[in-house]
This record gives sequence, structure tokens and C-alpha cells, in this order.
Amino acid sequence: RKEVEQDPGPFNVPEGATVAFNCTYSNSASQSFFWYRQDCRKEPKLLMSVYSSGNEDGRFTAQLNRASQYISLLIRDSKLSDSATYLCVVNGRARTGGTSYGKLTFGQGTILTVHP
Amino acid sequence: NAGVTQTPKFRILKIGQSMTLQCTQDMNHNYMYWYRQDPGMGLKLIYYSVGAGITDKGEVPNGYNVSRSTTEDFPLRLELAAPSQTSVYFCASSLGAAQETQYFGPGTRLLVL
Repeated sequence: RKEVEQDPGPFNVPEGATVAFNCTYSNSASQSFFWYRQDCRKEPKLLMSVYSSGNEDGRFTAQLNRASQYISLLIRDSKLSDSATYLCVVNGRARTGGTSYGKLTFGQGTILTVHP
Repeated sequence: NAGVTQTPKFRILKIGQSMTLQCTQDMNHNYMYWYRQDPGMGLKLIYYSVGAGITDKGEVPNGYNVSRSTTEDFPLRLELAAPSQTSVYFCASSLGAAQETQYFGPGTRLLVL
């Protein structure tokens, strides 16, 4: 089982649509959770952190269910500019040698295309 | 602040050549990371550093070396380039460890022929 699994996608939606992405993670000791956005041939950029209480940033709503080890992202009123790959990212403390670090584990990403 | 910067943006290497990918951050972050991203795949950690003079291996360190002589710089060295190292390389930094957001540089595209 992959450490972080996302909806395979791709998602093709019209402008104004609502779209939801799901993600599951396998390590119950994971400490923090994020959605990153990656545009074609660009670096990942933080979209939002995800909290158990749920959090909203404009048209974006993220939710975490620790018991089910499940993370979601909801995008309302999709815009053309939302077209990108969305990466589910889980952060936990790891150690490979003498030091510990924040190990980010990335899902493979879900491609979203918003069309006119 | 420029954030995290990387050079070069793109490079073609022949098998067996060596090169250094440069990474600099101006946010005074303690932690720095090198990732590689293969097409259609998630990012995989190559090496990381928790501060100047301290580095350690990540998930896929073979074929690479790093150093961290200053807080700002974290170069990645490829000694004997192989086709399997064709990838996009991202450098990232964070203030702390597990709870902290990582900020990524723009990436270096490497093609080994």
C-alpha cells in the first residue's frame, strides 16, 4: 500500500463547478497535513494546511479525518486558473541517521483541468 | 526575500559527467532538502540537512552527495551521471521539522544522455 494515495484523476470540469479530491494515508503517526498545488513544469506551492476541525480559504475547503486517515479538498466555483496538479502531502518526523527531519510524503497528484 | 533559488534551470549531461546543482535560501531556515520528481510520480527525498555542517540521507541518496557549509547554501553533487538520474530536482527549506511548511525552489531539469 502506498503511504499516500490520491484519486487517480484526471478531473475535467467546467468553470463554476464544484470538485472534490480525496486522499488517504497509511502512517497513523503522521503529524501534519497539506495540500500543495503544482503548475506544469513548476515547483509545488503550498495551497493550504489541513486541520481536524476543517479549514476554509476562500473557495477552498480542506478536511482531515484522523480516525479514517483521510484528507479531502473541495474547490467551489472553479476558475480556469485552478487548472493544476493537486498534491496531497503528509508530514511526519523521521530519522535515517543521527538526526530527525520533517519527512514530507507526497501523493502522486491529481490533475485538474477547468474548461470554459 | 527571494526565497529558495536554484541554478541551473536546465542542464544536459553525458553519462559519467559530474555536476553540482546549486540551492540558496535567504529565509534563515535551518532545514533544507533535496527532492527529485520523475514524470507522473511524487517527489522523493534525496538528502536533507538540519543545519550548517549536518546532513543525512533521505529515501534515494545513491549517486548523490551534499554539503552544508553555511545556513544559506545546500549544493547537490552528482559524481558520475547516469540516465536514471534524468529528473527534475527541487530544493526546499523549512524553519523547523515536522510541523513546518516546506518552501520549494523553481527546480532544475536534468537530462542525462
